[in-house]
Amino acid sequence: ILNVEQSPQSLHVQEGDSTNFTCSFPSSNFYALHWYRWETAKSPEALFVMTLNGDEKKKGRISATLNTKEGYSYLYIKGSQPEDSATYLCAPRGGSQGNLIFGKGTKLSVKP
Amino acid sequence: DTAVSQTPKYLVTQMGNDKSIKCEQNLGHDTMYWYKQDSKKFLKIMFSYNNKELIINETVPNRFSPKSPDKAHLNLHINSLELGDSAVYFCASSQTRSGSPLHFGNGTRLTVT
Repeated sequence: ILNVEQSPQSLHVQEGDSTNFTCSFPSSNFYALHWYRWETAKSPEALFVMTLNGDEKKKGRISATLNTKEGYSYLYIKGSQPEDSATYLCAPRGGSQGNLIFGKGTKLSVKP
Repeated sequence: DTAVSQTPKYLVTQMGNDKSIKCEQNLGHDTMYWYKQDSKKFLKIMFSYNNKELIINETVPNRFSPKSPDKAHLNLHINSLELGDSAVYFCASSQTRSGSPLHFGNGTRLTVT
């Protein structure tokens, strides 16, 4: 897996807005898709690991879906809060022994 | 207790020097990694180390060498430092190599002058 694209690159929303980002990746040789949340001055923290086509995962107000056939994943945040401000990274893995390839991330800023 | 700890947090050194960054995980994980955050802010894999098997990213110069004295430690040694080595280096670990999320250290900011 060489090309991982995340869009948008940055996003500014108001507190209470719901939002979503996209991660696109080559669908061939897919094994797993990771999502991470990376706050400024901290280290990335894992949100989800998804492997099956049609997977949906949820953690609080954050959820993610996976389409391995067309090569994309969506991350949704419902009712954004200022503490959701961070860069959200996706990282697909190609093959069980392949490395995670990180996208550049979507930087979310939530204004109170 | 910090799950994945790396030291030092900041490292400033001159070109040509040799330096090491240490990483320790107390999670009992089988696999450890080194990532470099490049100038474009991408996290790029440098090495992964699983049960004494070292997987090297071929784009990494051989001045970089990982050393794993045991499963809980993966240190990064860099010889003959160059200006272009300035970056933030992240250590990470995972339960297994294939299906587990990564746990990252807080990063080491290396500045080569």
